[in-house]
Amino acid sequence: AQSVTQPDIHITVSEGASLELRCNYSYGATPYLFWYVQSPGQGLQLLLKYFSGDTLVQGIKGFEAEFKRSQSSFNLRKPSVHWSDAAEYFCAVDPRRNNLFFGTGTRLTVIP
Amino acid sequence: EAQVTQNPRYLITVTGKKLTVTCSQNMNHEYMSWYRQDPGLGLRQIYYSMNVEVTDKGDVPEGYKVSRKEKRNFPLILESPSPNQTSLYFCASSPGTGRNTIYFGEGSWLTVV
Repeated sequence: AQSVTQPDIHITVSEGASLELRCNYSYGATPYLFWYVQSPGQGLQLLLKYFSGDTLVQGIKGFEAEFKRSQSSFNLRKPSVHWSDAAEYFCAVDPRRNNLFFGTGTRLTVIP
Repeated sequence: EAQVTQNPRYLITVTGKKLTVTCSQNMNHEYMSWYRQDPGLGLRQIYYSMNVEVTDKGDVPEGYKVSRKEKRNFPLILESPSPNQTSLYFCASSPGTGRNTIYFGEGSWLTVV
């Protein structure tokens, strides 16, 4: 079945530590891939996107993501987390039909 | 400024009282859709529309209706709301083909009591 999986429901990291949020997808062809962030009570903000080409994608706020075709993964990373990064993060997949399918989200807590 | 505008942003209503959440985009986008967000479930697509007068069901269409009479508007209609439709709703739009970013509205918090 087609799906987007974010295996970590909740992650806690210390401020200044590195971060990696996992995302795996199950679709026939390589879809378009996205990461969105949602701060408490807010809407969705696009962090970065992958359509094709270079598998390491740079986004806003110092985030990057790496597409690995062999693993059907699109993990989000940040080398040094700031307290303002506390939010919920959603991986989303567009199987080239202009329909986004979302993972269930990962809530990030940042401790001082 | 490119925008997807939803109204109302916040609404408390009673079971069975018909309501409409409006969505309007100013980017001449062909594609529009509605999602609902629930804790632990992420965002799930309710309906989408590839163009005027063309709509189709998403993953969770039960209890909802939509219409697309003009390109810019895509209202979500709850004919007889029930408490299980209490959720955060997002409208989205995109140009419709190719490598496009999908733009989201700010969300509408709906509570059905």
